[in-house]
Parts: sequence; C-alpha cells; structure tokens
Amino acid sequence: GQQVMQIPQYQHVQEGEDFTTYCNSSTTLSNIQWYKQRPGGHPVFLIQLVKSGEVKKQKRLTFQFGEAKKNSSLHITATQTTDVGTYFCAVDYGGSQGNLIFGKGTKLSVKP
Amino acid sequence: NAGVTQTPKFRILKIGQSMTLQCTQDMNHNYMYWYRQDPGMGLKLIYYSVGAGITDKGEVPNGYNVSRSTTEDFPLRLELAAPSQTSVYFCASSYQGGEKLFFGSGTQLSVL
Repeated sequence: GQQVMQIPQYQHVQEGEDFTTYCNSSTTLSNIQWYKQRPGGHPVFLIQLVKSGEVKKQKRLTFQFGEAKKNSSLHITATQTTDVGTYFCAVDYGGSQGNLIFGKGTKLSVKP
Repeated sequence: NAGVTQTPKFRILKIGQSMTLQCTQDMNHNYMYWYRQDPGMGLKLIYYSVGAGITDKGEVPNGYNVSRSTTEDFPLRLELAAPSQTSVYFCASSYQGGEKLFFGSGTQLSVL
C-alpha cells in the first residue's frame, strides 16, 4: 500500500535549539495534515496544507508543503520544553474516502 | 461538547477472550475511524465509517469487527483476542473525509 516516510525518527535538542521534521511521499498528495501527540496523550490536529508551495505559521511553528506536493516539513524555532512529544504527518492521496495515512512520527525530546 | 469519548481507558484480556471498545462523538461528524498505535509505528487504520450503516476495512482489519448503527457510536469488537492485538486504540472522527481528525483519549489494551 501507499506509504509516507517521516524523518528523523527521534530528535534530541537543547532548549532553544531549532527542530525540523520531514515527511516524504513518492506520490503526489491531495493534502497533508500535521498532528502532535504529547507523551501518554492522543494526537491533536495542528494544521492542514493543501496548496502547492504553501507555507503556514503558528507562533514558533512553520509548516511547508513542497511545490510538487510530495513532501512537507514542520519547523520549530527555539524549542521549549512544552514542545516535547511526537509529531506525525498524515497524508491524503485523494481517494474517494479521504482516508489519511500516518507517518511513523518524529519523537522530540527537549533538554532544559 | 465532550468531543470523542472512548471507554475503557485500560483493559487486560486473556488470550481468546472478547471485548468491545466503545466510542461515541457528539459533534455530528459523518466519518468515524478506529486506529491502533504500536510503539514507533505510527497509527494504522483498522476500520472506518462514512455514515450510519456504512463501514469499511482499513489497513489492518483482521481480528476486528465494527458496526455503525447511529451517527454517534462506532464500537470496535475484538473476537478471540491474541497477543498481537496488544496496542493502544484510538477512535477518531471528522465531519467529512480528508478533514482534520478529532481523537479520543485512547484505550490501552494488553492481551496476555
């Protein structure tokens, strides 16, 4: 079946450092969503990207959708301990049901 | 609104036992989903429903059954539990396919 590659699997940073996670597909995407899951919690929706080359910002978080709509990134500027968790991308290939395929996630730890 | 409510939060089953994981949402969402999450593996879609009376298989449906008799409820049935079904189960809903998902708090299931 269709898969999406998310890298890195783990990232350990010092508080104040930047962080980026990448999501790559071999197939053109209809749209991509990003979720955050705190330790012991459930995934929470962050954002959806639909347009080619789209860039969206939420405070210290910057989300990009590639020009070819095959990849995306989430960048966090100046990480804080509250950013700890696992970040997942979820891709929609545009099927009739709109089911999302989740990446394996990037687990972020932040050392104070 | 309570959002998506899952019960129970924790459960231990013996091999061969059966159980039903309950999921209800009060957002009048058409789509509902069941995912399982294994460590480091992201979320895998088990079953989904696009509306009352309609269900369909996801990526990993074997060993599970679902029903959708009402818009609000989407129970997941495990028959003859096996150790391979030890996982965290999340129910989710969305208004339409391809839109953002709202997740329940999850059920941690161990089969011993």
